[in-house]
Amino acid sequence: TQLLEQSPQFLSIQEGENLTVYCNSSSVFSSLQWYRQEPGEGPVLLVTVVTGGEVKKLKRLTFQFGDARKDSSLHITAAQPGDTGLYLCAGDYRTGNQFYFGTGTSLTVIP
Amino acid sequence: GAVVSQHPSRVICKSGTSVKIECRSLDFQATTMFWYRQFPKQSLMLMATSNEGSKATYEQGVEKDKFLINHASLTLSTLTVTSAHPEDSSFYICSATAGALETQYFGPGTRLLVL
Repeated sequence: TQLLEQSPQFLSIQEGENLTVYCNSSSVFSSLQWYRQEPGEGPVLLVTVVTGGEVKKLKRLTFQFGDARKDSSLHITAAQPGDTGLYLCAGDYRTGNQFYFGTGTSLTVIP
Repeated sequence: GAVVSQHPSRVICKSGTSVKIECRSLDFQATTMFWYRQFPKQSLMLMATSNEGSKATYEQGVEKDKFLINHASLTLSTLTVTSAHPEDSSFYICSATAGALETQYFGPGTRLLVL
């Protein structure tokens, strides 16, 4: 059962464009993380959000955690080819620190 | 940040054989390790949670007799795919955490191909 739905599933944009990826669930999460994964490698943590309504910025990336802690978004400004990859959200809603990953968004930034 | 390694990085085996994958935390003691499976162009699916010195907790739908997990020390967990079949071919990723609410650190993954 996939608890976290991401949209869009695939996204192909031109360099310099802005984009937003959404991560939605019907469950309340204690915390939510965003990862970026390159083909053939493990995911790399970008950010962790824990407070409802929290906004975090990482250079051109802006992450927001929904007020009800059920959803999150990732906004990339002026996308670059180096942003290409699989973006994954992951949330924990049970004790034991298990994280459940979203369905993923495959981003391609065309030079 | 903390480093987690996996061995082997790639393995090809014949159908019916067993394959062992190691996950090691290199510079910290991992009280909990997690095993994920990822099919091509899909997300990571949590298979099991492994705590040192105790039996692993498997997610619904994951066969514990097929995917044997051993967490014998605070720096090593192993996943053994028993009697592997072609449908077990996948990318297996482990992660490790130093404790509850601590950051998970992911390994680089192991690509398994069963012929």
